[in-house]
Amino acid sequence: AQTVTQSQPEMSVQEAETVTLSCTYDTSESNYYLFWYKQPPSRQMILVIRQEAYKQQNATENRFSVNFQKAAKSFSLKISDSQLGDTAMYFCAFMRFGGGSEKLVFGKGTKLTVNP
Amino acid sequence: DTAVSQTPKYLVTQMGNDKSIKCEQNLGHDTMYWYKQDSKKFLKIMFSYNNKELIINETVPNRFSPKSPDKAHLNLHINSLELGDSAVYFCASSQGGRRNYGYTFGSGTRLTVV
Repeated sequence: AQTVTQSQPEMSVQEAETVTLSCTYDTSESNYYLFWYKQPPSRQMILVIRQEAYKQQNATENRFSVNFQKAAKSFSLKISDSQLGDTAMYFCAFMRFGGGSEKLVFGKGTKLTVNP
Repeated sequence: DTAVSQTPKYLVTQMGNDKSIKCEQNLGHDTMYWYKQDSKKFLKIMFSYNNKELIINETVPNRFSPKSPDKAHLNLHINSLELGDSAVYFCASSQGGRRNYGYTFGSGTRLTVV
């Protein structure tokens, strides 16, 4: 079974600064996706960024980028130029590709607070 | 135009009652899911349906029964509600295979059992 570990239950950062959220995962699969989801106080789950395991290039989406280290099974999220609206729970998630059971397995989340 | 819509958003009910949560997606996705988020914010899959067929059924009490009348709808019926069922329930959908860009979630249903 796959497991996802987020070792930082809570983090805080000053507005405009950069913060990195950690995520490690455990799997014997070779085909999989990794995701970061954001859940602001509104409760809505929002996809931040997606990484395909077979791609070596790290995914980026505007101020959000990942550091994907496949051998180390590490998938950290870097948020640059943090904004107040980035305050949210951030979940790292793993999905095995194929086989008919493409379920997302989530980590326990990191609560990020951006301070003015 | 909401992509994945769940109703109701809030549900307060007494122990022992039966309740349903409805979910509809207009994205044309072929797979739909129910997830439970507990009080510590941990998200765990309950069920997955692919084109009306049950694909994933995690260890969930028999009191929970999903129903998918068509691939755009996945409802969750809960019998004999217990205090421990209080949680936020999320519906989600995705396109399978290489076109799987992740789940699109509904806004969640906060269920409170008193």
